[in-house]
Amino acid sequence: GESVGLHLPTLSVQEGDNSIINCAYSNSASDYFIWYKQESGKGPQFIIDIRSNMDKRQGQRVTVLLNKTVKHLSLQIAATQPGDSAVYFCAESYQGAQKLVFGQGTRLTINP
Amino acid sequence: DTAVSQTPKYLVTQMGNDKSIKCEQNLGHDTMYWYKQDSKKFLKIMFSYNNKELIINETVPNRFSPKSPDKAHLNLHINSLELGDSAVYFCASSQGAGPWDGYTFGSGTRLTVV
Repeated sequence: GESVGLHLPTLSVQEGDNSIINCAYSNSASDYFIWYKQESGKGPQFIIDIRSNMDKRQGQRVTVLLNKTVKHLSLQIAATQPGDSAVYFCAESYQGAQKLVFGQGTRLTINP
Repeated sequence: DTAVSQTPKYLVTQMGNDKSIKCEQNLGHDTMYWYKQDSKKFLKIMFSYNNKELIINETVPNRFSPKSPDKAHLNLHINSLELGDSAVYFCASSQGAGPWDGYTFGSGTRLTVV
């Protein structure tokens, strides 16, 4: 069946360092990928997305990399701040799917 | 102004009861969804409605019945609640029929069945 997984369930980084959160997906038909951030007691919040015709996309302090050959997605957060503490999800979809398939999530904690 | 609002935020109820969770979006979106997040934070779609029509009905027990009176509302009714129904339920909406048109989530309803 479809599955989107994460390599690490938890990640702890020092404030100011860069964070890298990884994600593996299994559906080779997926052509749209999104990273979400979920803070405690809140719903998932869109961070950045990427379509399969790209391999890199940058936002403010965040970069998403897509490697379709190995079906791998990563989220890089530059100069991690305390406010970045949250659970991060990757999700995938494809044209006509009308839904997102989410990965398990990675909890990012920031050490002062 | 909350874009996607769910009520209640917390719901504690006994096994066997029937309960409803309400969702409203003021974004003018055409599609609304219900997702379930289990204790391990795994998010899985349950239903989606596009303009009041059921589009997706995943493998969900028929004790769960969504109802969309209009395209701004998607309510979730659950009959005969079971312990395993305890989870956080998220409503979401998108402009078009798929997530690539922008997905907005509500803040969730934590359902605890005792």
